[in-house]
Amino acid sequence: GQNIDQPTEMTATEGAIVQINCTYQTSGFNGLFWYQQHAGEAPTFLSYNVLDGLEEKGRFSSFLSRSKGYSYLLLKELQMKDSASYLCAVRKGSTLGRLYFGRGTQLTVWP
Amino acid sequence: NAGVTQTPKFQVLKTGQSMTLQCAQDMNHEYMSWYRQDPGMGLRLIHYSVGAGITDQGEVPNGYNVSRSTTEDFPLRLLSAAPSQTSVYFCASSSTGTANYGYTFGSGTRLTVV
Repeated sequence: GQNIDQPTEMTATEGAIVQINCTYQTSGFNGLFWYQQHAGEAPTFLSYNVLDGLEEKGRFSSFLSRSKGYSYLLLKELQMKDSASYLCAVRKGSTLGRLYFGRGTQLTVWP
Repeated sequence: NAGVTQTPKFQVLKTGQSMTLQCAQDMNHEYMSWYRQDPGMGLRLIHYSVGAGITDQGEVPNGYNVSRSTTEDFPLRLLSAAPSQTSVYFCASSSTGTANYGYTFGSGTRLTVV
């Protein structure tokens, strides 16, 4: 399998900023995705990085360092609805290559 | 557009029974895949397909078969169900036109094998 590591759980308060880290080791790297998954629902796409640097999309930003095999998802102005599992996934191979997931980080946002 | 449709949503099987989980997409996506999700294990790739007539194994293929006779459909067959196959199964699809925007997931099938 692929070696993709992320913390199991994190907690934060409403309005705060939280950073969820993901490290990976894989050959044939072709992009890193972040997904959000609420309990009992399907994963939904949040962000994509294939080149080094920061991608910003509203309250969410994602960073990638290919040389370090490292990514993070930054969530700003946290809201209660952000309580969910956040999945880091690495694409391996071609543009339609296989997608491998980490075990997910369960984020709980407290009022 | 319906996106990715999975049926059934829930299923209970007895050990040794066989069944097919259905997955259909109406987005003309070339790529389709099946994942299972277990507590503490994340999503694990079972089988995938890069086009009609082409399938390949993922991380955990044992006990499952797939076929891709059309672009739209990618059924997953459990040959002889075992309690270890109790899981939530997700089908996902993507295309070269949307590959940088992630994979679209179906709503999942919750399978219990007793």
